[in-house]
Amino acid sequence: RKEVEQDPGPFNVPEGATVAFNCTYSNSASQSFFWYRQDCRKEPKLLMSVYSSGNEDGRFTAQLNRASQYISLLIRDSKLSDSATYLCVVNGGTALIFGKGTTLSVSS
Amino acid sequence: DADVTQTPRNRITKTGKRIMLECSQTKGHDRMYWYRQDPGLGLRLIYYSFDVKDINKGEISDGYSVSRQAQAKFSLSLESAIPNQTALYFCATSEGWNQPQHFGDGTRLSIL
Repeated sequence: RKEVEQDPGPFNVPEGATVAFNCTYSNSASQSFFWYRQDCRKEPKLLMSVYSSGNEDGRFTAQLNRASQYISLLIRDSKLSDSATYLCVVNGGTALIFGKGTTLSVSS
Repeated sequence: DADVTQTPRNRITKTGKRIMLECSQTKGHDRMYWYRQDPGLGLRLIYYSFDVKDINKGEISDGYSVSRQAQAKFSLSLESAIPNQTALYFCATSEGWNQPQHFGDGTRLSIL
């Protein structure tokens, strides 16, 4: 099993749609989880941390299921500006482990 | 002003040349990292440093070396560049082992 695995997509959705990304991780001892956003040829930027109780930031909701070693990101009311690659990131002990990313394309 | 600054932003060079990529930060973080990113392969860790006296190899350290000159500075060297080191290189910092990392703008390196 890969350390952090994501569906690469691409996910092509219209503006206003709700889209969900999933991520699985292999290290059951991981304690920190994040979602990053990366625009083409730009640096990854922290979108949100993921907490056990789940957390929401505006149109974005992150969920963590430790038993299933599964993380999700839900984006509601998609905007054109949400088009990017979303990276699932898990703490691997000494350093963060980045998934390869899921690409989202939002169209008008 | 950027908190994590990488220089140069772009570099084209020839096989066999020695290259240094530099990273400086104003965030006051002890931990610094170098990654490379290739299409389809995601981010891969090259080296990381938890403080000035600490250097650790990452997933793909062969062909690279690093120097942590100060808390704020972490440089990556390619002693004898080869074409398969063509990639986008990122420097990152973090406050702690379980804290999010903050990235520089990246260096686009092409080796001919």
